[in-house]
Amino acid sequence: KNQVEQSPQSLIILEGKNCTLQCNYTVSPFSNLRWYKQDTGRGPVSLTIMTFSENTKSNGRYTATLDADTKQSSLHITASQLSDSASYICVVSAWGNDYKLSFGAGTTVTVRA
Amino acid sequence: DTGVSQDPRHKITKRGQNVTFRCDPISEHNRLYWYRQTLGQGPEFLTYFQNEAQLEKSRLLSNRFSAERPKGSFSTLEIQRTEQGDSAMYLCASSPSANSPLHFGNGTRLTVT
Repeated sequence: KNQVEQSPQSLIILEGKNCTLQCNYTVSPFSNLRWYKQDTGRGPVSLTIMTFSENTKSNGRYTATLDADTKQSSLHITASQLSDSASYICVVSAWGNDYKLSFGAGTTVTVRA
Repeated sequence: DTGVSQDPRHKITKRGQNVTFRCDPISEHNRLYWYRQTLGQGPEFLTYFQNEAQLEKSRLLSNRFSAERPKGSFSTLEIQRTEQGDSAMYLCASSPSANSPLHFGNGTRLTVT
């Protein structure tokens, strides 16, 4: 069964600090991995999408890494801002089944002033 | 606003009633997805359309659920004889092609009393 596990479940950080979120997956055969940001009460918004051949991708203060050998990804948030408070969801796609994405449960990040 | 729009944003209904939700995808996107999300969880796949063809339905989609996408434009999701367990956020997303990021609407929050 294709699964995506995220850790930690939640974290609290002070404004201006950095943090790293983890994603482990068992989806096979792997096609791509995506990170989404979901504000409370709103739909997820795409941050990054990486294929097998990419091991890092940035979007502003967000940097995602991918190790397809160990089936792990991380999302690093640099110099956090209050607006970074949200749930961050890791999503993995399998070849031949690109419409049936596997979603993690998300990591809830709270940034405090 | 040319994003994905969903209507209504909130729906409160009594158990046993029927409800229908609408999704208007980004106009040039031929792929449309419905997901269900409960608190603290990632979205769960319900169904997928490519143009007007419904290509996949999740086992989660019982016979009380039906989705349509006439003419390959907007889509509707109907739930008949609602149950309290149907209470969730129903998210619609669209994309132009495989391996493209999904663009989500802000969802319809259903509460069944």
